[in-house]
Amino acid sequence: RKEVEQDPGPFNVPEGATVAFNCTYSNSASQSFFWYRQDCRKEPKLLMSVYSSGNEDGRFTAQLNRASQYISLLIRDSKLSDSATYLCVVKEDGGFKTIFGAGTRLFVKA
Amino acid sequence: DTEVTQTPKHLVMGMTNKKSLKCEQHMGHRAMYWYKQKAKKPPELMFVYSYEKLSINESVPSRFSPECPNSSLLNLHLHALQPEDSALYLCASSQLPGQSAGELFFGEGSRLTVL
Repeated sequence: RKEVEQDPGPFNVPEGATVAFNCTYSNSASQSFFWYRQDCRKEPKLLMSVYSSGNEDGRFTAQLNRASQYISLLIRDSKLSDSATYLCVVKEDGGFKTIFGAGTRLFVKA
Repeated sequence: DTEVTQTPKHLVMGMTNKKSLKCEQHMGHRAMYWYKQKAKKPPELMFVYSYEKLSINESVPSRFSPECPNSSLLNLHLHALQPEDSALYLCASSQLPGQSAGELFFGEGSRLTVL
């Protein structure tokens, strides 16, 4: 079983749609969780950290379920500029090791 | 604009060459990382430095040699590489565990081609 697993994608959605990505992690001791966005041939950029109580940043909402070891990202009112690969990232407790999921590709079409 | 700067942006080298990738950050972070990313794959951790000391080496071949001269600089020395080492090499920095959630901040990467 992979340490961090994501929906395979790609997701093809029209502008204005709501899309949700899911991610599961295998290490129950993991403490820090993030969503990164990566555009083609660019570096990953932090989209948002994921907190136990869930958190929202504009059109983006992240949720964490520790019992199920599950993380989600919801994008509302999708824009063309949201087209990218979304990486689920998990950091082990107290350490430096950061595990990346394989990423989910999103295409938003006009 | 990224606060982690990597040079060169592109590098082409032969299998007998010796070259270096450089990374600089001015965020006061004491942890610095090298990642390797192949096309359509996620970044893979290579090395981690904490307080300028090597903390993690993910069983990387010795043809890759990291160096951390000071808290702001991280180098990756390359020697006798193979064509399969062609990839995007990403440098990242973060605060230390316990100081924050540990978000990684990436440079734009150095795209390496080995002929």
